[in-house]
Amino acid sequence: ETGVTQSPTHLIKTRGQQVTLRCSSQSGHNTVSWYQQALGQGPQFIFQYYREEENGRGNFPPRFSGLQFPNYSSELNVNALELDDSALYLCASSWEGLLNTGELFFGEGSRLTVL
Amino acid sequence: SQKIEQNSEALNIQEGKTATLTCNYTNYSPAYLQWYRQDPGRGPVFLLLIRENEKEKRKERLKVTFDTTLKQSLFHITASQPADSATYLCALKGGSGNTGKLIFGQGTTLQVKP
Repeated sequence: ETGVTQSPTHLIKTRGQQVTLRCSSQSGHNTVSWYQQALGQGPQFIFQYYREEENGRGNFPPRFSGLQFPNYSSELNVNALELDDSALYLCASSWEGLLNTGELFFGEGSRLTVL
Repeated sequence: SQKIEQNSEALNIQEGKTATLTCNYTNYSPAYLQWYRQDPGRGPVFLLLIRENEKEKRKERLKVTFDTTLKQSLFHITASQPADSATYLCALKGGSGNTGKLIFGQGTTLQVKP
């Protein structure tokens, strides 16, 4: 089991609402990335944060935003929720720098349902 | 555009046999390729990473090959067990930086029957 924790584990929202998902990175990691995984699909990269700044973004609209805090924990915010936002949201932490192994450590995810 | 494809159909095999999963990619030159295991409702768990200059890598009952000419990776589980039943994801990274930016395939579900 990794040291990455996510909350909440499950939540239900209605269309148009806003949601905040939280992630606590594994100790010693300086990078956090977020993924969206629809049912039956592989995870899709949303964005990555390194030293509190976004340094990579996938094909997601601006209503998907995030934050990384000095302790390397992170938030994913989604505004104006749409039905298609229903998915498992995964947080992954890693070490970016020398001796980078490339391995990602995933949390168990937050299951979002939009009605 | 970049594309990664894994066997879309579930793979069913008998316990003790070798499972072989395929990952093909196009329009991509990855620095390395990774394989993850994902159980239902859980996050993916890292299994193996193979770099572009490596042909084969092993870890216990797992073996991964990487053919950059064919643009294909094969993932083998020898002496498979029912506990190996899960979805297996391949993921690619290209270029430098952005460790967390991986492109995943859709995954192949493996079912090992006793």
